[in-house]
Amino acid sequence: QVQLQESGPGLVKPSETLSLSCTVSGDFSYDNGFTWGWIRQPPGKGLEWIASLYSRGTTYYSPSLKSRLTISGDTSKNQFSLKVTSVTAADTAVYYCARHDESGYFLEYWGQGILVTVAS
Amino acid sequence: EIVLTQSPATLSLSPGEGATLSCRASQVISTYLAWYQHKPGQAPRLLIYDAFKRATGVPARFSGSVSGTDFTLTISSLEPEDFAIYYCQHRSNWPPLTFGGGTKVEIK
Repeated sequence: QVQLQESGPGLVKPSETLSLSCTVSGDFSYDNGFTWGWIRQPPGKGLEWIASLYSRGTTYYSPSLKSRLTISGDTSKNQFSLKVTSVTAADTAVYYCARHDESGYFLEYWGQGILVTVAS
Repeated sequence: EIVLTQSPATLSLSPGEGATLSCRASQVISTYLAWYQHKPGQAPRLLIYDAFKRATGVPARFSGSVSGTDFTLTISSLEPEDFAIYYCQHRSNWPPLTFGGGTKVEIK
């Protein structure tokens, strides 16, 4: 089993940078050759994939958000993180971190999610 | 980019009834499709991957099938805990990873 826990601010001001972390625990550590990702759900809407990171370094970004995103990992802390720059109200959402399955195609383990509101 | 269209948007059913959820892909995607169950305030749960393989611990009443670009999630007999939103998902060559718009299965 893998446990994932998101952390970060619940409120961010418009135009600022949102920084989120996901701590990995359980039977797997962060650097285990898996792919790790972030997904969000705006209020009343569906799931939207944002970014993923293969633990050996390759990054993948949503084309529509790519210019504002950075995903990175820290093996010493058993964490991976997401930064979203220049946030607007449209970035208000529940943000989930997840671990892809061995194939990399699907999302096998998910965190509980963290609500981030962008407001002044 | 592959677009996944789920239907219907809402299914109103009673416990014990069967449910059939559809996900249509805009292009042929082989069997690279998953289904997730999502309840309010909870983490989404992987139910089906590779179109028809049940994830670990998923009850046998959940099954997936595919015909061309049409994917189906079938719940043979709804249990009270099955009322939730269901999403299909695909990932081909990066990026992106795409989700369907979801089907809400609600109690009639």
